[in-house]
Amino acid sequence: AQSVTQPDIHITVSEGASLELRCNYSYGATPYLFWYVQSPGQGLQLLLKYFSGDTLVQGIKGFEAEFKRSQSSFNLRKPSVHWSDAAEYFCAVGSNDYKLSFGAGTTVTVRA
Amino acid sequence: SQTIHQWPATLVQPVGSPLSLECTVEGTSNPNLYWYRQAAGRGLQLLFYSVGIGQISSEVPQNLSASRPQDRQFILSSKKLLLSDSGFYLCAWSGGEHEQFFGPGTRLTVL
Repeated sequence: AQSVTQPDIHITVSEGASLELRCNYSYGATPYLFWYVQSPGQGLQLLLKYFSGDTLVQGIKGFEAEFKRSQSSFNLRKPSVHWSDAAEYFCAVGSNDYKLSFGAGTTVTVRA
Repeated sequence: SQTIHQWPATLVQPVGSPLSLECTVEGTSNPNLYWYRQAAGRGLQLLFYSVGIGQISSEVPQNLSASRPQDRQFILSSKKLLLSDSGFYLCAWSGGEHEQFFGPGTRLTVL
């Protein structure tokens, strides 16, 4: 069975600074990997996905993520955060039966 | 374009009362449909998924049930709510690809 670990429960970053959120997955086959963002009281919005090909994927809102098979990681990055990036971020891994397993999430706080 | 609706947005129910949450998808046909629960400070737990009308798979034994009476309608129900059923319920759909698209959610408080 697949699983996802997000080691950081909470990250605080200054506006304009860079952000990196860590994600490690466990899956026996080639993984389908996703990052979602959730604002308080809202549903989840898909930021980006990796299925195959180029290991550096670009997403919406200026986010990117890099797939590293050797490290079983799919870390999310943004070069310069905006106050509107304050939210909870979830990494997920998909399996061949079209189900997703989510990490516990990382809450990002942006300080002025 | 596809849209997904959930209602109600918020719900406060007494322990022992019934529950019915509804999810509908527009702009696609034969979607895979999913119900998740998100407890405070925790990730998403898959409760049920459906690949077609009348086809429901349960992921976790619990006090809840799901039904899919129409192609784009997914209902989450309970006959008697427990305190532990409180949480944020999310419906999602996928179109045969692996990414899922989420609805706005329903905040359920059981008192």
